[in-house]
Amino acid sequence: DSGVTQTPKHLITATGQRVTLRCSPRSGDLSVYWYQQSLDQGLQFLIQYYNGEERAKGNILERFSAQQFPDLHSELNLSSLELGDSALYFCASSEGPPNTGELFFGEGSRLTVL
Amino acid sequence: GIQVEQSPPDLILQEGANSTLRCNFSDSVNNLQWFHQNPWGQLINLFYIPSGTKQNGRLSATTVATERYSLLYISSSQTTDSGVYFCAVGGGSQGNLIFGKGTKLSVKP
Repeated sequence: DSGVTQTPKHLITATGQRVTLRCSPRSGDLSVYWYQQSLDQGLQFLIQYYNGEERAKGNILERFSAQQFPDLHSELNLSSLELGDSALYFCASSEGPPNTGELFFGEGSRLTVL
Repeated sequence: GIQVEQSPPDLILQEGANSTLRCNFSDSVNNLQWFHQNPWGQLINLFYIPSGTKQNGRLSATTVATERYSLLYISSSQTTDSGVYFCAVGGGSQGNLIFGKGTKLSVKP
């Protein structure tokens, strides 16, 4: 158990819908990262937060948004869902500022868009 | 940005065999991690190893930062070692890890 908690573990929804994925980082970790892993694809970085502030953006679509709350949990919002958004979405956390120290990953949220 | 190449892309072993997985990266890094993604999709931390050598049971890893590569050694492989092994690096102004495409390992009984 990495200590990073993601909910829900599985989600099935329809095209055009909106979903919210939730992540609680390890106790004491201030950085949160979101990654997307599509079928047979590697892990693509989406966005990163440190202590409530956005620090880096990767290949995140405009239909997707995220935030980190004062209690340090984070949410990833996916809207106007398309079939191609079906993927495993991972949250990771680390203790310090970006790119310092080890990242720990949650078990992922598996999204299926029908 | 930093490029990460892993080799081989696929590897099939008999139980008990040893293997070496390689990760090459294109720029200096201050973060390098190896992960194992099991068949259920979980990403398991294996090593945090921006430089030097570490060992954990049957697994060990070496990173030669000056030559921009890292190696993961698996000895006496077991069927439970099957899955995909990812190398991920971070460095410079990048605040996130860049993942390689992984090595898919299948260990046959």
